[in-house]
Amino acid sequence: IAGITQAPTSQILAAGRRMTLRCTQDMRHNAMYWYRQDLGLGLRLIHYSNTAGTTGKGEVPDGYSVSRANTDDFPLTLASAVPSQTSVYFCASSETGGSNSPLHFGNGTRLTVT
Amino acid sequence: QKEVEQNSGPLSVPEGAIASLNCTYSDRGSQSFFWYRQYSGKSPELIMSIYSNGDKEDGRFTAQLNKASQYVSLLIRDSQPSDSATYLCAVTPLTNFGNEKLTFGTGTRLTIIP
Repeated sequence: IAGITQAPTSQILAAGRRMTLRCTQDMRHNAMYWYRQDLGLGLRLIHYSNTAGTTGKGEVPDGYSVSRANTDDFPLTLASAVPSQTSVYFCASSETGGSNSPLHFGNGTRLTVT
Repeated sequence: QKEVEQNSGPLSVPEGAIASLNCTYSDRGSQSFFWYRQYSGKSPELIMSIYSNGDKEDGRFTAQLNKASQYVSLLIRDSQPSDSATYLCAVTPLTNFGNEKLTFGTGTRLTIIP
């Protein structure tokens, strides 16, 4: 089934540890995104990539990094996790980066930083 | 003022009735408007997109856009218990920008009462 795969599904992480959230899509979409979703704050964009080889910062990029070595993969790295990064993380993709191209979301990763 | 505002609810509607969900946005130049449905513990999924003033119908769902009044609404006819979810409004606030500027509201939680 075509779509977006995120891993892990959930993770408990000690503060200060490094963690990479994985995201893979098989729809050959050009654009990919990482969001975090927090109660009362909604979905907020962390980083995005409109095409392989390029990335950009979203609304809340601090403490996170991404890479886009190929079309399919868009990993999100927390270099040194802090409790405020406890959240549900969604990876998404769209056919293009244009505003008329709807987002398709992965199933999310629930991350708890202790 | 938030860029995209929704009443958080919960909104309770009897089964078979019409559910009306509203969203207002602050940027008059906004061009693209989306409604996503998110079941508890799941990822958002696109249910409607609308780009021009007026109504757009898709099955039991109708999106209504009024750019002069800066609101977009979603009507769900013949509401079913399976419609119980949180509905997210998303708006691209500026022309000539892509999905990196897509802004989500915090969502309205809808409960359909059997």
